[in-house]
Amino acid sequence: EIVLTQSPGTLSLSPGERATLSCRASQSVSSSYLAWYQQKPDQAPRLLIYGVSSRATGIPDRFSGSGSGTDFTLTISRLEPEDFAVYYCQQYGSSSYTFGQGTKLEIK
Amino acid sequence: EVQLVESGGDLVQPGGSLRLSCAASGFTFSTYTMNWVRQAPGKGLEWVSYISGGGRTTSYADSVKGRFTISRDNAKDSLYLQMNSLRAEDTAVYYCARNTPGSPYFEYWGQGTLVTVSS
Repeated sequence: EIVLTQSPGTLSLSPGERATLSCRASQSVSSSYLAWYQQKPDQAPRLLIYGVSSRATGIPDRFSGSGSGTDFTLTISRLEPEDFAVYYCQQYGSSSYTFGQGTKLEIK
Repeated sequence: EVQLVESGGDLVQPGGSLRLSCAASGFTFSTYTMNWVRQAPGKGLEWVSYISGGGRTTSYADSVKGRFTISRDNAKDSLYLQMNSLRAEDTAVYYCARNTPGSPYFEYWGQGTLVTVSS
């Protein structure tokens, strides 16, 4: 099973700043099956990025994904107040899925 | 509009059983792989199981294999999760989630249903 490790655990930034979230896999992620989700309190997760770098429907272009192999990054170019939430990466391989433990993006 | 509505969550004793349901609408249910994903209180997301559109292919997380069974009724646009031999560590909000077309990502989610395993 591929283990995903996200860093940092918590990121404290101000609106307007740039956020960089990391997701590292214990082995290479097959076929670039890597996605990012945003979850706000008491809400279901929302798909942001799929296939490493494709934005899901309705996701603003300040969100971008990059990476390959075992190292992946979610970047939010200019933080808006509604972006403060928990972010999870997710991979698929060998008929199973795993999530990272999450990065909490909080207002500084 | 795609809608997924879970139900069946409850308080159950360790060793007990529970059946969750997810009613789908707004899309052609039989053509999509469906999943259950859970989240323990204050914790992260954990994928539980998936089932292919026709129901012939299933997969489970090791933590639930042999105890949980996923199924679907395409005539009723419904997804199910039969949970047996429940443990305290199965306590979580259970979400049903629909895949993106032909891809392994969770595009739509329900609001979740809470399962509490406690004596």
